[in-house]
Amino acid sequence: EAGVTQSPTHLIKTRGQQATLRCSPISGHTSVYWYQQALGLGLQFLLWYDEGEERNRGNFPPRFSGRQFPNYSSELNVNALELEDSALYLCASSPFRGLGQPQHFGDGTRLSIL
Amino acid sequence: GENVEQHPSTLSVQEGDSAVIKCTYSDSASNYFPWYKQELGKRPQLIIDIRSNVGEKKDQRIAVTLNKTAKHFSLHITETQPEDSAVYFCAATGGDKIIFGKGTRLHILP
Repeated sequence: EAGVTQSPTHLIKTRGQQATLRCSPISGHTSVYWYQQALGLGLQFLLWYDEGEERNRGNFPPRFSGRQFPNYSSELNVNALELEDSALYLCASSPFRGLGQPQHFGDGTRLSIL
Repeated sequence: GENVEQHPSTLSVQEGDSAVIKCTYSDSASNYFPWYKQELGKRPQLIIDIRSNVGEKKDQRIAVTLNKTAKHFSLHITETQPEDSAVYFCAATGGDKIIFGKGTRLHILP
């Protein structure tokens, strides 16, 4: 079974630009979750999508947004990039709806803001 | 707001000894508590989880205990091995929220 895949592996941007990160869940998984892992801060919950809809979001500004496509893949968009957005962005998926389920993580996209 | 405190932030144990990592949560609605292991440069992987209707769960050398009254849960690793070296994250989930602890870096000393 193919795992959760994320692209690109690395992304370098400058302040003010926009970044798009992509995630393909495990086949059959309908829920996709996005996390930010900044150095020393653990995993911060960003967004949760299920069946094409945003189900919940964490304490992040509106310039963090995303969507889920009919094939359950997902995009995370970050507008007006700031230096503090530099982090590893992890995507996870689960076969069942809800945060109270085991999640399978991808390898992440490392976003660096210059 | 809701919070998950994880201790210690760093833990060094001799190979073969036991390791214990503790987490405390604040949201009484939390009902699912997973533990993830993240080796250097790799993705987090679920190693064990427990739900609020269970007090203890064990899987070979790994066990998790939950005290709902104290809002406290712990990861126990026995007979530690070099491959246990990693960062371990606890999390507390309730309804539409999930909060992770800041992680514990576990070093297994030869």
